[in-house]
Amino acid sequence: DVKVTQSSRYLVKRTGEKVFLECVQDMDHENMFWYRQDPGLGLRLIYFSYDVKMKEKGDIPEGYSVSREKKERFSLILESASTNQTSMYLCASSLPSPSADTQYFGPGTRLTVL
Amino acid sequence: GENVEQHPSTLSVQEGDSAVIKCTYSDSASNYFPWYKQELGKRPQLIIDIRSNVGEKKDQRIAVTLNKTAKHFSLHITETQPEDSAVYFCAASMWYNTDKLIFGTGTRLQVFP
Repeated sequence: DVKVTQSSRYLVKRTGEKVFLECVQDMDHENMFWYRQDPGLGLRLIYFSYDVKMKEKGDIPEGYSVSREKKERFSLILESASTNQTSMYLCASSLPSPSADTQYFGPGTRLTVL
Repeated sequence: GENVEQHPSTLSVQEGDSAVIKCTYSDSASNYFPWYKQELGKRPQLIIDIRSNVGEKKDQRIAVTLNKTAKHFSLHITETQPEDSAVYFCAASMWYNTDKLIFGTGTRLQVFP
């Protein structure tokens, strides 16, 4: 059974703080993703990593950065949190195509920036 | 850029009725179309997927159909049950990197007993 875990379910931070969201998967997946989920907007890709130290911008990378130093761990960093980054953040992992395309999601981190 | 439109945004049905959710995609090179179900407070989970070389796929009460010419695909749930109540997301693979998905905006399905 694929397990994707995220470091926090709920997080409250203040404007201007540096925020780290951590994601760990235990299935040796090459691909890892960070999404942001907002009502009416679906899931929007922030960043994608297809290997250790490799990353690619998604649709909404502004204000975010990522780090992947180990295969199982993918971190999302908000350098200076702002109120418009209040959202649900979902991490996912998958094997690379064409072997499998199913993305397995973590439970999500609901971040509130005050 | 690539876009996936999903309709309706909300859908209410009586238990036992069928539910249909439709998605259209913009890039004809997309070749993988999964559907995810997200129950309240839980993570999205894959329920069914279809690839571009197949027109229809069924799994018990759920089915997905794909019309490549029209660039749309649909989720069909028959004999709906209260536990089908959830938000459903469609997605399409990006033409230049099939590992990446672009998601629709979601459909909140409510099944009333």
